[in-house]
Amino acid sequence: DAGVIQSPRHEVTEMGQEVTLRCKPISGHDYLFWYRQTMMRGLELLIYFNNNVPIDDSGMPEDRFSAKMPNASFSTLKIQPSEPRDSAVYFCASSLGLYTDTQYFGPGTRLTVL
Amino acid sequence: AQSVTQPDIHITVSEGASLELRCNYSYGATPYLFWYVQSPGQGLQLLLKYFSGDTLVQGIKGFEAEFKRSQSSFNLRKPSVHWSDAAEYFCAVGGNTGKLIFGQGTTLQVKP
Repeated sequence: DAGVIQSPRHEVTEMGQEVTLRCKPISGHDYLFWYRQTMMRGLELLIYFNNNVPIDDSGMPEDRFSAKMPNASFSTLKIQPSEPRDSAVYFCASSLGLYTDTQYFGPGTRLTVL
Repeated sequence: AQSVTQPDIHITVSEGASLELRCNYSYGATPYLFWYVQSPGQGLQLLLKYFSGDTLVQGIKGFEAEFKRSQSSFNLRKPSVHWSDAAEYFCAVGGNTGKLIFGQGTTLQVKP
């Protein structure tokens, strides 16, 4: 398996623009997670899905952020409008189950908002 | 509330020396504990995990960790460090919510 795939790997945009990050989880994994990593706040869970359904979005910072999972092999994280403080590395991860199951991380998308 | 503390932000060891990275957690019940490693520009990779049984857990790349309930710790160890071990290491705790809470990470530098 190719592992978790994320695109783009790097994104540079201007404040106010819409940004869409994409993720393809490992086939057969029922859970998908979106994380954000910054120097100040470390690694934070934004939202996770189970069988394409959002289960917990309590980590989503504000209404400018939205995530969807239209099918088992694709998810998006959208920021509209983007702000400089959204600059971070965004990771997608997937797992077979919760609790003790290993989460497999993608390589991340480095987002820079100017 | 769950929390994880990694007291050492940065550690430097010589190649061949032993390594111990500290992790302390706060959780009301029996935690699920994980160590992940992140190489520059890469995602996180699981080194090992603990959820029950033997408190000494063996992982990949020669790493091990010991769960000590009395000290609320889950320290990561390696007897002999290789230059390729230079990376950032994250301890994480999970519980009945299924969500992982990560520590701030420890950056390991290996001197030749």
